[in-house]
Amino acid sequence: ETGVTQTPRHLVMGMTNKKSLKCEQHLGHNAMYWYKQSAKKPLELMFVYNFKEQTENNSVPSRFSPECPNSSHLFLHLHTLQPEDSALYLCASSPLLAGGPLPDTQYFGPGTRLTVL
Amino acid sequence: TQLLEQSPQFLSIQEGENLTVYCNSSSVFSSLQWYRQEPGEGPVLLVTVVTGGEVKKLKRLTFQFGDARKDSSLHITAAQPGDTGLYLCAGPRYNQGGKLIFGQGTELSVKP
Repeated sequence: ETGVTQTPRHLVMGMTNKKSLKCEQHLGHNAMYWYKQSAKKPLELMFVYNFKEQTENNSVPSRFSPECPNSSHLFLHLHTLQPEDSALYLCASSPLLAGGPLPDTQYFGPGTRLTVL
Repeated sequence: TQLLEQSPQFLSIQEGENLTVYCNSSSVFSSLQWYRQEPGEGPVLLVTVVTGGEVKKLKRLTFQFGDARKDSSLHITAAQPGDTGLYLCAGPRYNQGGKLIFGQGTELSVKP
């Protein structure tokens, strides 16, 4: 496999379920990101990891819990979600987390389409 | 708060037509990026513009960064069905280049 992969591609869960989204990058990158994409709204940056360390939690509710065991893998653990959490969840990676004014190129996975009933 | 607004939100045109998509902000950005997202896929970077007034061309796509670095445009010449997709502009948070702010996107449909 090459690039950024995400599993599962589709997930339907009830509000009381617990599930996890998985992201794996095969690019040798050191920064990984979780985004939420809802219809007619801009992509929202949720979490950022740089060299396995979390550097951003963009006021995300605690029912979303990220985990980055190494630079190649990123998880998003979900529990007691709400219907408004239904969205496309995108994972991305970049060689480094750019610290200055210029962005690094981010490579996105295909996303997990989440539906909360 | 840095915001990016894209217009139009939806665009449906016939093959061969030209179009322009806009990305505007009241804030100055050090750079802006354009991504294209096809159905069922994640966004793919098309271009990064860095200098005010900069123009970059990618085959039939022309990208321009405004002189004041508050806006950008994407012009497509002789659109083809393969250009169909969601076009997103994105800019880095001030001095946090790795953390991007996205516009809401322009959904383009090119009919044969």
